[in-house]
Amino acid sequence: DAGVTQSPTHLIKTRGQQVTLRCSPISGHKSVSWYQQVLGQGPQFIFQYYEKEERGRGNFPDRFSARQFPNYSSELNVNALLLGDSALYLCASTLAGSGVTQYFGPGTRLLVL
Amino acid sequence: AQTVTQSQPEMSVQEAETVTLSCTYDTSESDYYLFWYKQPPSRQMILVIRQEAYKQQNATENRFSVNFQKAAKSFSLKISDSQLGDAAMYFCAYRSAYSGAGSYQLTFGKGTKLSVIP
Repeated sequence: DAGVTQSPTHLIKTRGQQVTLRCSPISGHKSVSWYQQVLGQGPQFIFQYYEKEERGRGNFPDRFSARQFPNYSSELNVNALLLGDSALYLCASTLAGSGVTQYFGPGTRLLVL
Repeated sequence: AQTVTQSQPEMSVQEAETVTLSCTYDTSESDYYLFWYKQPPSRQMILVIRQEAYKQQNATENRFSVNFQKAAKSFSLKISDSQLGDAAMYFCAYRSAYSGAGSYQLTFGKGTKLSVIP
């Protein structure tokens, strides 16, 4: 079975632009979480979605938004990009909203110039 | 809020030797889960081992084992017979058993970079 997939793998944007990152969970998994990992740090929680509803949000500004589709894939949108948004964005899936173990994708590396 | 601390930014070990990575956490909860994840240069976060707080027995997975001290809020990872492929960033992570805010997010430490010397 395929693991969690994310696209694109790399992305370069300029300040003020908008970006959309995509994630497909493991087949059968219904919950997706997004994390931001700045260089040299551990991942920070951004969102969790389960059954197309937002179940939790980390300490991120409203420029960050996400959604989950009927096939359980998810998109993370970031508006008005800042230099500080440069990071690795990780997506993780679990079987259910309360699933214990999160399985991560390879991430999308975003560079904001 | 829960916090996870990894006090060793970098560690090194000779191939075939044993190394222990440290992790402490702060929580007021009694039921939770702890994890060690490995992140090689390829960036993919890979689960190494998981421990349920209600279990007194330390988890083991082949060459990987943990020393879980609940009272001390300590969760160290021991890697035996280290291999070159073990070289990576290792992150300790905490997950509550309760969804107080509706979600079950992971709280990560800052990581320990492990180098394996041939």
